[in-house]
Amino acid sequence: GESVGLHLPTLSVQEGDNSIINCAYSNSASDYFIWYKQESGKGPQFIIDIRSNMDKRQGQRVTVLLNKTVKHLSLQIAATQPGDSAVYFCAEKESSGTYKYIFGTGTRLKVLA
Amino acid sequence: DGGITQSPKYLFRKEGQNVTLSCEQNLNHDAMYWYRQDPGQGLRLIYYSQIVNDFQKGDIAEGYSVSREKKESLPLTVTSAQKNPTAFYLCASSQKGGGTSNTGELFFGEGSRLTVL
Repeated sequence: GESVGLHLPTLSVQEGDNSIINCAYSNSASDYFIWYKQESGKGPQFIIDIRSNMDKRQGQRVTVLLNKTVKHLSLQIAATQPGDSAVYFCAEKESSGTYKYIFGTGTRLKVLA
Repeated sequence: DGGITQSPKYLFRKEGQNVTLSCEQNLNHDAMYWYRQDPGQGLRLIYYSQIVNDFQKGDIAEGYSVSREKKESLPLTVTSAQKNPTAFYLCASSQKGGGTSNTGELFFGEGSRLTVL
């Protein structure tokens, strides 16, 4: 099977509860941030993004919070479902013409029935 | 449907052989990227291309090569010079190489798993 994520931190959440996944980013100049979901053996899927002129952005069942002071990003998933089980990772980028995205190592979310 | 197609999904290679991974996108994106994913590590950039007939090395380009003859395609060749090629390879594309007037979102393919025997 897919070996990506074997040594990642794991968050176990009861089905129906809310999940909070955290990410510390590294570059003070980063002004664009993305959360991705990656299921075993598949490519990453876009969940939600946020620019640095915002502190919070909401999607369907997901909310991203950005704290630029401490360079911290979090992803909140409401009413977690079994289909949410995956590895989640954040990405950061400077939007000023650079190609370079910096990716976190990820957190494995396990949803308990 | 618009998206990124990678092939093959699984590939086995003997030591000393070159192999080429295919990546095609129909999103009309200018920029395309190849990343390598290893357990416990974030994605690492191998090569990227912002325009046809131009490409740049990423952080771990040694032992790899690409070509960008068409906007839709960025094939990656893993050469015998790559000492530890067993990994999961991800191709991605974005609207631009990093401009300020677009979302900057990276779209990924489903990945290709290369195993060296």
